[in-house]
Amino acid sequence: QKEVEQDPGPLSVPEGAIVSLNCTYSNSAFQYFMWYRQYSRKGPELLMYTYSSGNKEDGRFTAQVDKSSKYISLFIRDSQPSDSATYLCAMSPFNNDMRFGAGTRLTVKP
Amino acid sequence: NAGVTQTPKFQVLKTGQSMTLQCAQDMNHNSMYWYRQDPGMGLRLIYYSASEGTTDKGEVPNGYNVSRLNKREFSLRLESAAPSQTSVYFCASRLQGLGTEAFFGQGTRLTVV
Repeated sequence: QKEVEQDPGPLSVPEGAIVSLNCTYSNSAFQYFMWYRQYSRKGPELLMYTYSSGNKEDGRFTAQVDKSSKYISLFIRDSQPSDSATYLCAMSPFNNDMRFGAGTRLTVKP
Repeated sequence: NAGVTQTPKFQVLKTGQSMTLQCAQDMNHNSMYWYRQDPGMGLRLIYYSASEGTTDKGEVPNGYNVSRLNKREFSLRLESAAPSQTSVYFCASRLQGLGTEAFFGQGTRLTVV
């Protein structure tokens, strides 16, 4: 079993839809939870960052962490074609290596 | 401010050849990482270096060696390339500490034939 599981999709939604992306994990040592966005043929860029359980909101994006269930989510409201990218969840124990999910490829159609 | 710079951007190797992928960062970060990205597999950690002078294995270290030359540079070496090492390789750096972001290079597309 992989430490971080993420459905690779692909996921296709119409513009304006609410998008839900999810990851599960098995390592209880993970403390920090991140979402990266990767456009085609580019390196990943940090989108959201959370620590511990709870919600964090940034504009149209909301990240949720449920450590008791080992489950994290990213919600995108009012999705735009410019949101079309691969979204990778990432997790890290205390300041050491980062482990990534497989990435979910999202397409938002105009 | 260049961030994380990887060289080369593209490379084709024959099976058995060796090569070194170079990575340099100019953000004074402590930690540096090498990942490979394959379709459906996401980013898998090959090696990382928490600080100058230290390196640790990640998930998929076999067939690779690394050198943390100084605080800025972290190189990845393939001693005898195999077709299974065909992948996109990303270098990243990160300042250790709560809430720090990892910055990635543009990637090196390696094909082993």
